[in-house]
Amino acid sequence: NAGVTQTPKFQVLKTGQSMTLQCAQDMNHEYMSWYRQDPGMGLRLIHYSVGAGITDQGEVPNGYNVSRSTTEDFPLRLLSAAPSQTSVYFCASSYRGGQGYEQYFGPGTRLTVT
Amino acid sequence: SQQGEEDPQALSIQEGENATMNCSYKTSINNLQWYRQNSGRGLVHLILIRSNEREKHSGRLRVTLDTSKKSSSLLITASRAADTASYFCATVTEGGNKLTFGTGTQLKVEL
Repeated sequence: NAGVTQTPKFQVLKTGQSMTLQCAQDMNHEYMSWYRQDPGMGLRLIHYSVGAGITDQGEVPNGYNVSRSTTEDFPLRLLSAAPSQTSVYFCASSYRGGQGYEQYFGPGTRLTVT
Repeated sequence: SQQGEEDPQALSIQEGENATMNCSYKTSINNLQWYRQNSGRGLVHLILIRSNEREKHSGRLRVTLDTSKKSSSLLITASRAADTASYFCATVTEGGNKLTFGTGTQLKVEL
């Protein structure tokens, strides 16, 4: 199994540009989530999904959209990039939600918005 | 807002010593998890302890949970240089399914 994969690994955007961060998992996990990690802030939950067709907001959802059309994929869309969205983005999946199940993390996407 | 707060923020020890990191949280939890993050990498799950458990072991790791104090500790015994990483606690609130992370402890193990 490849586990959780994320593309791209690095990305530089100009303010106002849009892009999609890709996340895929091959473990048939129902639960997937997106986090951003900023220095001194730990990881903050952006959006999550408990299954195909079901998504919900996390702690910091503004400026981001998600959809979950398949079990395997959970893309994160930046609608109009802002410098405040410069961060490292991690996708994670688990068999169920946090309830008693470990999260598997991807390697991350380092995004810089200029 | 962060549910978990780790203490200390940074810890430097010699190889062979034990490392202890603490995590405090604010609301009642279903479980608490510890993760490790090596520099530039994703997080790796270490151990999960449920709210009705007080202590768990996994290899050189020992985790305790005190729900009355809303705190947990992670002990790494006989540390190695390869243990150098950031360690995060994460909590799942009762009835919830979201994992909320703390700000992490940076551990450096020197030869």
